[in-house]
Amino acid sequence: AQSVAQPEDQVNVAEGNPLTVKCTYSVSGNPYLFWYVQYPNRGLQFLLKYITGDNLVKGSYGFEAEFNKSQTSFHLKKPSALVSDSALYFCAVRVMGYSGGYQKVTFGIGTKLQVIP
Amino acid sequence: EAEVAQSPRYKITEKSQAVAFWCDPISGHATLYWYRQILGQGPELLVQFQDESVVDDSQLPKDRFSAERLKGVDSTLKIQPAELGDSAMYLCASSFSGQETQYFGPGTRLLVL
Repeated sequence: AQSVAQPEDQVNVAEGNPLTVKCTYSVSGNPYLFWYVQYPNRGLQFLLKYITGDNLVKGSYGFEAEFNKSQTSFHLKKPSALVSDSALYFCAVRVMGYSGGYQKVTFGIGTKLQVIP
Repeated sequence: EAEVAQSPRYKITEKSQAVAFWCDPISGHATLYWYRQILGQGPELLVQFQDESVVDDSQLPKDRFSAERLKGVDSTLKIQPAELGDSAMYLCASSFSGQETQYFGPGTRLLVL
């Protein structure tokens, strides 16, 4: 089955330190990968996506993600964490629909990022 | 900045009652999605519309859930009758097409007592 996995339920990092939130994927063909962020009692907000091209993708709020085909990973990174970055982060992959002819997005279970002041 | 609108934001109901959620996507977005997000989990696609047509409702519990997008713009998701296990956040999203970035509304948090 085509899917994404987020191996960490929670990531804790001190403010000012670099952060990494991990994501691995399993898809046939070329993956289209996304990161979304969710603040408490809010909908998801798009951060960035990888479709093709440069393996390092830059997104909103200073986040970036590195696509690694050999390791089937798409880890989210930020050089210096802020307390306001504390939220739920979801990795997602675009896959073919069950009957073909259309595409849909499958989300991981999410990783809670806690930035400690 | 255009946003996806959802109402109500919160809904408390008793089991066996009927509930309905409304979503108004960003203008011009042909694809509309309804997701269910259970606490501690990622969003699960319930139904995906392309204009007024359903393209995927494989995870929609059709014995109690229904969704429509009659004019290809706003959409309604209904549950009848509601069960305790339906307590969750219901998210609506839209995109220009099924291949593009999705924009999410604030969600409706449902509590079934």
